[in-house]
Amino acid sequence: EIVLTQSPGTLSLSPGERATLSCRASQSVTNSYLAWYQQKPGQAPRLLIYDASSRAAGIPDRFSGSGSGTDFTLTISRLEPEDFAVYYCQHYGISPLTFGGGTKVEIK
Amino acid sequence: EVQLLESGGGLVQPGGSLRLSCAASGFTFSSYAMSWVRQAPGKGLDWVSVISASGGSIYYADSVKGRFTISRDNSKSTLYLQMNSLRAEDTAVYYCAKGRTSVKSSPFDYWGRGTLVTVSS
Repeated sequence: EIVLTQSPGTLSLSPGERATLSCRASQSVTNSYLAWYQQKPGQAPRLLIYDASSRAAGIPDRFSGSGSGTDFTLTISRLEPEDFAVYYCQHYGISPLTFGGGTKVEIK
Repeated sequence: EVQLLESGGGLVQPGGSLRLSCAASGFTFSSYAMSWVRQAPGKGLDWVSVISASGGSIYYADSVKGRFTISRDNSKSTLYLQMNSLRAEDTAVYYCAKGRTSVKSSPFDYWGRGTLVTVSS
């Protein structure tokens, strides 16, 4: 089983600042099959990034993903008020399709 | 517009059973893999099971293997999760999620709003 470790657990930033979220895998992720999701309280998750760096439909270009192998990053270039939420990474190359523990981006 | 509507959640005693359903619309259901993902109260996301578009490939998390069964009826555009021998730790909101492709190696591009399963005596 691939274990995904997200850091930091909480990121306290102000609107307009840059957010950098990390996701580290316990072993190499096949074909960079790594996704990022955003979840707000009381809502279902929303797909942001798939295949490590491809933006999902309708996702603003301030969201970008990078990385390969075992180290992946989600970057939000300039935080908007609606971006404060919890972010999860997930691999989907082999079963089990595990999620990371999440990073909460909160308003400073 | 893609819509996924879960139903079947509720309160059940430990050791009991429930069957969740997910009615899909707005896309060609038979062309996409589907998954169940759960989230315990105040906790993170926990993948449960995936089924390929044809139903020929099925995978489970170790925590539910042997107790849960995923299935689909492509003629009814409906996904199911039969849950037996339920435990307190199965208490969660259960989400139905659509895969981006037909195979299990696919991110989830649409999610339902979830149905709450509570296992308690």
